[in-house]
Amino acid sequence: DAGVIQSPRHEVTEMGQEVTLRCKPISGHDYLFWYRQTMMRGLELLIYFNNNVPIDDSGMPEDRFSAKMPNASFSTLKIQPSEPRDSAVYFCASSFGGSTEAFFGQGTRLTVV
Amino acid sequence: GNSVTQMEGPVTLSEEAFLTINCTYTATGYPSLFWYVQYPGEGLQLLLKATKADDKGSNKGFEATYRKETTSFHLEKGSVQVSDSAVYFCAAPGGYNKLIFGAGTRLAVHP
Repeated sequence: DAGVIQSPRHEVTEMGQEVTLRCKPISGHDYLFWYRQTMMRGLELLIYFNNNVPIDDSGMPEDRFSAKMPNASFSTLKIQPSEPRDSAVYFCASSFGGSTEAFFGQGTRLTVV
Repeated sequence: GNSVTQMEGPVTLSEEAFLTINCTYTATGYPSLFWYVQYPGEGLQLLLKATKADDKGSNKGFEATYRKETTSFHLEKGSVQVSDSAVYFCAAPGGYNKLIFGAGTRLAVHP
């Protein structure tokens, strides 16, 4: 299995632009998680899905952030409009129900200038 | 709810030194416990886990024992290498299949 696949690996964008991060979970996994990692705040859980349905989005910082999971093999995290304080590494992870062991992607390093 | 407390870093060691990174948790029952490792520029990957009290997880020379009496899951390695330099995260279930992570401990090993 190729593992959790995220794209792009790096993204540099200007303040005010829309940014879309993509994730393909491991086939057969029914949970998908979006995390944000910064030096100041560490690893934060933003939102997670079960069977493509959002379960808890309380970690989403603002209405500028939105996430979708249209099917079992694809999810997006969108920031519109982006701000410099959104600069971070964003991770996607997936797991199989019945096991809390999560498998992480390589992350997307977002820089908003 | 469940929580995880992890010793703060950074931890700086010489090669072949002994490593301990402390982790304590609060949880209902006896959940599985995990240590994840993040190498520079990469995502988190599972290092080891223990699925029940008194279990010992081990991998790549690292060990951690699930001690219910002290609600601890300390990570140890007898002889660290430069290649072990990374950030280590302790984790426990937080309900609904999600994990709660500690703050992470950065380890730097020098030759």
